[in-house]
Amino acid sequence: GQQVMQIPQYQHVQEGEDFTTYCNSSTTLSNIQWYKQRPGGHPVFLIQLVKSGEVKKQKRLTFQFGEAKKNSSLHITATQTTDVGTYFCAAYSGGGADGLTFGKGTHLIIQP
Amino acid sequence: NAGVTQTPKFQVLKTGQSMTLQCAQDMNHNSMYWYRQDPGMGLRLIYYSASEGTTDKGEVPNGYNVSRLNKREFSLRLESAAPSQTSVYFCASNSGNYGYTFGSGTRLTVV
Repeated sequence: GQQVMQIPQYQHVQEGEDFTTYCNSSTTLSNIQWYKQRPGGHPVFLIQLVKSGEVKKQKRLTFQFGEAKKNSSLHITATQTTDVGTYFCAAYSGGGADGLTFGKGTHLIIQP
Repeated sequence: NAGVTQTPKFQVLKTGQSMTLQCAQDMNHNSMYWYRQDPGMGLRLIYYSASEGTTDKGEVPNGYNVSRLNKREFSLRLESAAPSQTSVYFCASNSGNYGYTFGSGTRLTVV
């Protein structure tokens, strides 16, 4: 099935610094999704990228989908304590309803 | 809107006991899913249901059964719990090829 590798596993930053997490696949993806999970919470859908080279922004978050549709990144500018949590990328293993395959996530830890 | 509701929120079982995790969604979604989340392993798909009346195995189905009772409800059953099934279980739903809505999870400990 579809595998997505996510790095780094953990990232410590000072509040105000930028943060980036990367997601890579050995195969071409039809689309990729990003989720955020706060400590003790459940995953919350952030965005879906579909087109090659697509870039989408949500306030301080910038999402990119690679030209070959095999990699993606999430960049947070000037982190705040509210950004703490685990960020997951996810991709479909089959025809859409087959279930998302999630990366193992990047834990963002912010030091004030 | 409640979204996706899971019960119970916490459960402790003894090895060999059985239990059913309940999940219901009120968004009229066709597809529903059960994931488990373990430290360092991310979210792994147990079973899914693409539509009412159908269910299929995911990545880690052994030791579990599911029932899609109707369009709203998708339950997960552990027939004989094992310590390896200690985990956080999430139910999710979606409509079409788009983002999932997750429930708040069931934290299960098997002793």
